[in-house]
Amino acid sequence: KNQVEQSPQSLIILEGKNCTLQCNYTVSPFSNLRWYKQDTGRGPVSLTIMTFSENTKSNGRYTATLDADTKQSSLHITASQLSDSASYICVVSGVKAAGNKLTFGGGTRVLVKP
Amino acid sequence: NAGVTQTPKFQVLKTGQSMTLQCAQDMNHNSMYWYRQDPGMGLRLIYYSASEGTTDKGEVPNGYNVSRLNKREFSLRLESAAPSQTSVYFCASSFGGDNSGNTIYFGEGSWLTVV
Repeated sequence: KNQVEQSPQSLIILEGKNCTLQCNYTVSPFSNLRWYKQDTGRGPVSLTIMTFSENTKSNGRYTATLDADTKQSSLHITASQLSDSASYICVVSGVKAAGNKLTFGGGTRVLVKP
Repeated sequence: NAGVTQTPKFQVLKTGQSMTLQCAQDMNHNSMYWYRQDPGMGLRLIYYSASEGTTDKGEVPNGYNVSRLNKREFSLRLESAAPSQTSVYFCASSFGGDNSGNTIYFGEGSWLTVV
């Protein structure tokens, strides 16, 4: 069964500090991996999309990395801001997904404190 | 700049009642999706529509029906609501399928409580 596991489940960081979120997946064969940001009470918003041939992609202060060999991805947040408080969701798509189905991780909840 | 619009935002139903969640996108996308999000779990696909006139079951379709009314609109119907359907529902759309690398855009969510 395709799975996407994220760690940690939650973390608290001080404003201005950096943090790294982890995503391990078992989806195979692999098509692409996405990171989404979901503010409380809102829908997910796309941060990055990476295919198997890409190993890093940035979106402002967010940098995602991908190691398709070890099936691991990370999302690094640089110089955190209060507005970074949200859940971050890792989403993986297989090459021949049964139907049009993405596999979603459970998310990491980040709280940035002043 | 509407993107994906879904209604209603909040709804309380009694067990056995029926209701329809409406979704519309203004980005000329081909694919549309309905997901549910429960505490501590990842989003799960209920139904999707790869193009106008086609619909297919996702991971958790039981108790739901969908209609792709036209290219813009994709509705989700609960025929006889059950407490297990208490959840947050998200409509989404993308130009291509989810393994195409296209960005998937989500609506703001519909909070449904079945009592």
